[in-house]
This record gives sequence, structure tokens and C-alpha cells, in this order.
Amino acid sequence: EAQVTQNPRYLITVTGKKLTVTCSQNMNHEYMSWYRQDPGLGLRQIYYSMNVEVTDKGDVPEGYKVSRKEKRNFPLILESPSPNQTSLYFCASSLSGRGEQFFGPGTRLTVL
Amino acid sequence: KNEVEQSPQNLTAQEGEFITINCSYSVGISALHWLQQHPGGGIVSLFMLSSGKKKHGRLIATINIQEKHSSLHITASHPRDSAVYICAVPQRFNSGGSNYKLTFGKGTLLTVNP
Repeated sequence: EAQVTQNPRYLITVTGKKLTVTCSQNMNHEYMSWYRQDPGLGLRQIYYSMNVEVTDKGDVPEGYKVSRKEKRNFPLILESPSPNQTSLYFCASSLSGRGEQFFGPGTRLTVL
Repeated sequence: KNEVEQSPQNLTAQEGEFITINCSYSVGISALHWLQQHPGGGIVSLFMLSSGKKKHGRLIATINIQEKHSSLHITASHPRDSAVYICAVPQRFNSGGSNYKLTFGKGTLLTVNP
């Protein structure tokens, strides 16, 4: 089954404790993105990747890191989480940046 | 000013009603996406269209590129259609490049009552 998986689905952590949210797709898509969704602000892009070892900042990259060492995986790293990073995070993949997007199930992160 | 505007923000309907959600955008685009997000759920792609009209079951999406406007219609609405509907348009990251990012509307919360 074609899918995008994210882990964990829910995470409560404390300020400053490094965490990684994993994202994996099995559709051989080149393009992957991370978004955060906040009430009243909608979906905003954090980082994107056009292919292995090619990543770039989206609209709200501060406080986040990503890596793309394999085509299928695109982890999101929060080196020192802060409460303003409490949000719902989605990973997505597509054949191209403007093509049909396939979203993961979301990760609800709470930073205390 | 948002580059992608949706209206209405909230919509409540009775089961069976015909629903219309609108999306206007200010940037030049090659395609437009409609997405659906159920409460507490993930996001699924409903349509990607670059011209004319597409239909899937009771859902119809139309786009007018010249007027920079798209509509999502739901015929014979049902409580299971209750969700947030999101419009998104791809924009080039840089002039002449082939890298795109999606810019999203803030979504329309649809509630269909039985």
C-alpha cells in the first residue's frame, strides 16, 4: 500500500530536549516536505527536499533541521525544542513540488 | 495579504444541501489542489486541477485560470462530509527554476448536520 508514515504520532516533551520525528514514504517520490499546522494560521512549510542530499528552507525553518540521506526517509529534527514549536506536524511526499501530495498521518507535538 | 484566500471560513449545512467552497489566489499557477482534513485526522488530496472541471463521486472542482478562482462543490451533502477543506497552489521558489512549494489557504470548516 502506498503510504507516508510518521513516528511518533503523539509526543509530549520538555524544553531543550532534542527530538526527531521520522517520516518515510514507499512511493519512490523525489519531493518531500515538512509542514506545521496551527489554529488560524493553516499549513506552513518548514523544510522541503527535492532529492537525496538536496534540502532547503520553507517559510518557517527556524528551530528545525532536516536531512535526506535516503530517498524514502526525511526526518525532522528539533535540536532544542521550545513551547512555540507545539504544533501538529505533517510530512508529505510527491513526484514533484507541484504534484499531488501524499500526507502522513500527522504528529502532535507538545513542548512544555 | 494572503496569496490564497478561501471563503467561507466556516459553513454549516443540513444533510442533502448543495455546498460551495471558494478559493481565490493572487499568484500565477499551473495547478491547484483541494485537500480534505477530517477532525483529528490526516490530510488527503481530493483534486489537482489545472483547467476546467473534475468530478469524483459527489465532489466537483472547477477552476477559472483567468479569474484566478476555484470552487469545490459537494452535492447531496452528508454528515460524513464534515471536515476542513483546504485549497493550495504551487508557486515557484525562484524565477526560472523548477522548484515549487505549496501555499495553502486557511481552510473552510464544513459541518453537515443530519
